[in-house]
Amino acid sequence: AQRVTQPEKLLSVFKGAPVELKCNYSYSGSPELFWYVQYSRQRLQLLLRHISRESIKGFTADLNKGETSFHLKKPFAQEEDSAMYYCALSGLGSARQLTFGSGTQLTVLP
Amino acid sequence: NAGVTQTPKFQVLKTGQSMTLQCAQDMNHNSMYWYRQDPGMGLRLIYYSASEGTTDKGEVPNGYNVSRLNKREFSLRLESAAPSQTSVYFCASSEAQGYGYTFGSGTRLTVV
Repeated sequence: AQRVTQPEKLLSVFKGAPVELKCNYSYSGSPELFWYVQYSRQRLQLLLRHISRESIKGFTADLNKGETSFHLKKPFAQEEDSAMYYCALSGLGSARQLTFGSGTQLTVLP
Repeated sequence: NAGVTQTPKFQVLKTGQSMTLQCAQDMNHNSMYWYRQDPGMGLRLIYYSASEGTTDKGEVPNGYNVSRLNKREFSLRLESAAPSQTSVYFCASSEAQGYGYTFGSGTRLTVV
């Protein structure tokens, strides 16, 4: 079975401080991992895909297969980064179903 | 480009009533999904459709049914609503492996 764990329900940092949102996964094969973001009263949006190794809005995430982690990082948080962040894992099913973590609510304080 | 469109946005039902949540996508995606979002539990998969003509149960299918009407549309039906089905429901579609999902704006359902 596949499982995604986000240990922090709430995370607060000050503007300009570094931020790291933790994500650990359990999966027997080679997973595909994603980060989604949901701003207040908006739909979920794809933030990052691990296979693209891209940086979006200053966020990066590295897949660590040894530690089974996919932590999301940003060196200097901005107030507009305040949102709910979900880590998600896609297995090898034909429909590529995503399993989501429980989410981390990030608040960036002025 | 509308992406994924869900209707209605809000709904209040009485226990025992039925209703259908509608979802349509205009991106020619093969796969579609229904999730529910509850505080502290993230998003949980209710049903999904890998392609037109197929549907499968997800993690929490009890109390729901789905119909993949055509490639564009995937509806979710509650036959006899219960207070435990109070939630925000999201529809999503997917192009292919590795590309993630495109989500609809959600339906906030309250069952009293």
